[in-house]
Amino acid sequence: SAVISQKPSRDICQRGTSLTIQCQVDSQVTMMFWYRQQPGQSLTLIATANQGSEATYESGFVIDKFPISRPNLTFSTLTVSNMSPEDSSIYLCSVEDRGLPNYEQYFGPGTRLTVT
Amino acid sequence: KQEVTQIPAALSVPEGENLVLNCSFTDSAIYNLQWFRQDPGKGLTSLLLIQSSQREQTSGRLNASLDKSSGRSTLYIAASQPGDSATYLCAVNSWGKLQFGAGTQVVVTP
Repeated sequence: SAVISQKPSRDICQRGTSLTIQCQVDSQVTMMFWYRQQPGQSLTLIATANQGSEATYESGFVIDKFPISRPNLTFSTLTVSNMSPEDSSIYLCSVEDRGLPNYEQYFGPGTRLTVT
Repeated sequence: KQEVTQIPAALSVPEGENLVLNCSFTDSAIYNLQWFRQDPGKGLTSLLLIQSSQREQTSGRLNASLDKSSGRSTLYIAASQPGDSATYLCAVNSWGKLQFGAGTQVVVTP
């Protein structure tokens, strides 16, 4: 299984500012994803981070609000831009290695974001 | 669009009882189904993955079944312990994307 770390683990930010979350994996993986978990809710996929090209966003999420980078096969960043209190959530990075037959997904510990 | 439902939303049992958690999904065209555990304020821990061609998967006290044709999966946890208290999430992999249920919050009382 892959070991995933995220930075920061938590942050409290002022509205109107931006925060960049980092996701590091201990091995090269094919697929990386970013999810959001709003308070009391389940997980919602924000986008698929594609290595060397633009991320693929799900309905309701746009690049201007959630720009994503993936410079290589072990690292990705998600930026939450121009934040509002509604952006207060846990943001999770996940990976899937399609080199393995199971296509199992593994998740990082999450970044707990509070916007005041 | 795939929809995933988990019943019950919350469950409280005394230590030693078996737990039965249900997950249903609307589109049977799935690649696999994963069960996760989430502790408060934490990330997700993968418990079991069942491929669409499998009927069940076991790991220790955990057993998960899958009936793809009826769109159902059940997670059984035998002889529950207080350390099993957490939220359990079911996620269906359709077309390379995970669709999550809302979860079942489990409390095991000593």
